[in-house]
Amino acid sequence: DVKVTQSSRYLVKRTGEKVFLECVQDMDHENMFWYRQDPGLGLRLIYFSYDVKMKEKGDIPEGYSVSREKKERFSLILESASTNQTSMYLCASSLQGQPQHFGDGTRLSIL
Amino acid sequence: QKEVEQNSGPLSVPEGAIASLNCTYSDRGSQSFFWYRQYSGKSPELIMSIYSNGDKEDGRFTAQLNKASQYVSLLIRDSQPSDSATYLCAVNSAGYSTLTFGKGTMLLVSP
Repeated sequence: DVKVTQSSRYLVKRTGEKVFLECVQDMDHENMFWYRQDPGLGLRLIYFSYDVKMKEKGDIPEGYSVSREKKERFSLILESASTNQTSMYLCASSLQGQPQHFGDGTRLSIL
Repeated sequence: QKEVEQNSGPLSVPEGAIASLNCTYSDRGSQSFFWYRQYSGKSPELIMSIYSNGDKEDGRFTAQLNKASQYVSLLIRDSQPSDSATYLCAVNSAGYSTLTFGKGTMLLVSP
């Protein structure tokens, strides 16, 4: 079975902090994704990566950056956290054309 | 702009009935279609994949695809209260790494 592991289930940070969310997958998938999910807005793609050191902006990249130094690890960075970034963050991975497999999610609160 | 549309629901069905969930998509180049189940507070879980026209059955679940009508559906037979969740439809277009997700249909199965 595919295993996508997100480093934290719950996280509380303060406005202005730099926040790191980590995601690791164990199935040698080339594609990795970061989403946020808010009530009524569905899943929104922040960034994705199709190879090591490669990244593409999704629908809502503002205020975020990503890093993929190794194939199995994809990090989401909130450069200066703001209260409107309070959300559920979901990491996923996939092979090309195949379904995405999700981690358990990180519920992030910015105070 | 690729779009995937789902009725937000809630769709209410009694235990033992057939639940029918529907999804339409805008991109005629779409090639892969997926259904995810998401329990409240949890991450999406893949339950069905379908790639060609027709029906695909897996236990109590049947996915149906009609590319000419740009329509994909999920039937759940003998619905159980444990099927109560939000069901997300996701579509992949040829040559793209990303999925386009619908906002989901909430299903409520009453005992």
